[in-house]
This record gives sequence, structure tokens and C-alpha cells, in this order.
Amino acid sequence: DQQVKQNSPSLSVQEGRISILNCDYTNSMFDYFLWYKKYPAEGPTFLISISSIKDKNEDGRFTVFLNKSAKHLSLHIVPSQPGDSAVYFCAASESIQGAQKLVFGQGTRLTINP
Amino acid sequence: DTEVTQTPKHLVMGMTNKKSLKCEQHMGHRAMYWYKQKAKKPPELMFVYSYEKLSINESVPSRFSPECPNSSLLNLHLHALQPEDSALYLCASSQDKGFEETQYFGPGTRLLVL
Repeated sequence: DQQVKQNSPSLSVQEGRISILNCDYTNSMFDYFLWYKKYPAEGPTFLISISSIKDKNEDGRFTVFLNKSAKHLSLHIVPSQPGDSAVYFCAASESIQGAQKLVFGQGTRLTINP
Repeated sequence: DTEVTQTPKHLVMGMTNKKSLKCEQHMGHRAMYWYKQKAKKPPELMFVYSYEKLSINESVPSRFSPECPNSSLLNLHLHALQPEDSALYLCASSQDKGFEETQYFGPGTRLLVL
């Protein structure tokens, strides 16, 4: 049972335009959500996060929106740059036995075209 | 500084070998994690250490043996692995404040079991 889903395996966007990556989750116990960027053969790099008590968090070109009733979050990148080309993972955090467990979506490969 | 280091970067081992993966962080984090990532799949949690104690074991086979000698170091001892264990092994750390934990990942060890 996939608790975190990224339904778009890939997305292609023109440089300078907005990139929107989507993520859905099913477990209402998730209380913190994160986006990571990953290049091949490297570890995920933390981008931005949002607490379940907020609906928006912004950091420079990156904004994450959370719709808790729809169990949906999205990452907006504007303006998109060629260096943003990578795989983006949505992750959701749940407290279990005093520790934090991260569950990742399948990832979306973003390609920014010049 | 959000650096997590992992050694070795690459490892090739036979099914009868014993080897160890090492992870280190100097951010003062008290939670450390091992993840396994197969090709074109998201990272999957294996183990969580909190204050040097194992708090989560995601039903990982006993041929994988984690160890946390101190709060900065995390090892993964490997013995009698199978070819299907070939993957990218990722280490991560976080503050362990109990909520809104951001996990920071190392670059990973690419393991090939022959």
C-alpha cells in the first residue's frame, strides 16, 4: 500500500516558467512533509518542508502548498532554471515509537528545457 | 553545515564476504537512519537510531546488522548478502527533537553483491 504518491513520473518545463510538482498521501498521521531533490548516484538534498498546521511555506524560488483536507501537497518552482533538472521526491513524516519515520513518494523527474 | 559523510563510495562484495558501511555526521544530531534505494525506486527506511539506541527496525533481514558506537557514527555490517541486496545505501541524520524532523542525507554507498 503506497502511502505517498507522486502520480507524474516525469515533467518537462521551459526555462523561466513555473514548475508544479504534485504529491498525494493517504495516512492522516503524517504531520510533516518535505521535498528532496536528487541527482543520480547522490543522496537526496533537502529543499523545503511544511508542517501539517500550515498551508504554505516559501523559500526563495520554492513554495510548498499543503491542502490537508485533500491530503495533497505541491511544490512550485518559479522561475525554473536548467539546474533544477533532477528527480524530486515528496516525503511524509510520522512519529513512531518516539522516532520519525519518512515515507517517500516514487519521485518525479523534472527536466527544464532552455 | 549539513554534511553527512559515507564511506566507501562504492563496494563490490561476494556472497560470503563480510563488509561494513560507515556514516558520520558532526552536526550534533542525535537520530541516525539507514535507507536502501533500488534503481528507479524511492528510498526505503531500514533502521532508526535515537540517542544511540535502535528504535526502529523495519523487519530487515539479519544479514544486515546496524551499530551506533556514538552519536556521530553509524555503521552497517554486512554478511552473507544476496545479489538482490545490491542497491544504494543511504545514511541520514536529524536533530531528534521529536517533531518536524528534517533528515539530512549522505551521498550513499553503491553496493554490488556478486
